Amino acid sequence: GNSVTQMEGPVTLSEEAFLTINCTYTATGYPSLFWYVQYPGEGLQLLLKATKADDKGSNKGFEATYRKETTSFHLEKGSVQVSDSAVYFCALTRTGYSTLTFGKGTMLLVSP
Amino acid sequence: NAGVTQTPKFQVLKTGQSMTLQCAQDMNHEYMSWYRQDPGMGLRLIHYSVGAGITDQGEVPNGYNVSRSTTEDFPLRLLSAAPSQTSVYFCASSGKTAGDYNEQFFGPGTRLTVL
Repeated sequence: GNSVTQMEGPVTLSEEAFLTINCTYTATGYPSLFWYVQYPGEGLQLLLKATKADDKGSNKGFEATYRKETTSFHLEKGSVQVSDSAVYFCALTRTGYSTLTFGKGTMLLVSP
Repeated sequence: NAGVTQTPKFQVLKTGQSMTLQCAQDMNHEYMSWYRQDPGMGLRLIHYSVGAGITDQGEVPNGYNVSRSTTEDFPLRLLSAAPSQTSVYFCASSGKTAGDYNEQFFGPGTRLTVL
């Protein structure tokens, strides 16, 4: 079956530090990969996506590259801000399917 | 567009009570899903629907029922609430596209406590 594994948190960083949150997956076929973000007290928002190998998704300074050879989709940001404090979820969906398989989430805490 | 709406935002039940969590979307999306979020578990799929009149089970369906009589609405019913169903419930919808993925839009969630 499909599964997503992401690094456990919380990840605690100072403002302007470099961020990496690791995500690896197991899936049959060729999944699409996503990062969702959940700010405190809110629902999930799509942060970025990639639909095929070597695609790079990017949004709001965050980036992730779909690496089929290592089955990974690591999230990176060069300089985090306090407002980036949230829970980040890596997820996948198989082509043609409408439902997501999520990782357990990684909490990011950024201090001034 | 209101997007995906959920009611209520908060609910407290006693063990054995029943209730319905409401979900509606105004984007004419074919696909709708229910997830539950528990600490350290991420989000897990409860039930989903690929169109009006069609539903299927997800990863954790026991204790929940769904129906999809219209494209807009996808209520989740708890038949006899148990403390293990204490969770935050999210509804999501997505539309059929010609691309490789369907972006899912999430509602704000319902926080349910079962005593």
